[in-house]
Amino acid sequence: AQSVSQHNHHVILSEAASLELGCNYSYGGTVNLFWYVQYPGQHLQLLLKYFSGDPLVKGIKGFEAEFIKSKFSFNLRKPSVQWSDTAEYFCAVSNNAGNMLTFGGGTRLMVKP
Amino acid sequence: NAGVTQTPKFQVLKTGQSMTLQCAQDMNHNSMYWYRQDPGMGLRLIYYSASEGTTDKGEVPNGYNVSRLNKREFSLRLESAAPSQTSVYFCASSEGLIGQRTDTQYFGPGTRLTVL
Repeated sequence: AQSVSQHNHHVILSEAASLELGCNYSYGGTVNLFWYVQYPGQHLQLLLKYFSGDPLVKGIKGFEAEFIKSKFSFNLRKPSVQWSDTAEYFCAVSNNAGNMLTFGGGTRLMVKP
Repeated sequence: NAGVTQTPKFQVLKTGQSMTLQCAQDMNHNSMYWYRQDPGMGLRLIYYSASEGTTDKGEVPNGYNVSRLNKREFSLRLESAAPSQTSVYFCASSEGLIGQRTDTQYFGPGTRLTVL
């Protein structure tokens, strides 16, 4: 069975700081990778996804993620965070059988103005 | 275009009571999903429906049943609620199964359920 680990449960940053959220998965086959964001009081929205091709994926709102197959990782980055990035971030993975999306436990990001 | 809608938004039940959570999507999606979200555990898949007329168990199906009423609607039923089912429930839909290149899941606003 596949699993996803997000090691940082809570992250606090000041505005303009750089962000990197870790995501590691365990699955030996071909995977599809996603980052979702949940702003306070809102539902989950897709930030970005990786299916194949260029391992550096750019998403909305200046976020990007890099798939490193040898490390089973898909870390999320943003060079300069804003107060409005305060949210919970979820990494998720599915295999090419396609029938289940497995989520990590989430990382709560708080950006101080 | 409302996307994915869920009712109710909040519900309090007593142990042993039953209820049905409703979900509808207006994006003509084939696949629909029910998740529960618990602190520190992310979202866990309860049941999904790959297409109209089919349903399958996810990671945590015990204590739940689902019905894919038609292409738009996918309901989740708790027959005899237990305190362990206190959670936030999210419905989602996608064009097809995850794994297809163009697929993304779209989530509803959630139902916050408390079982006393």
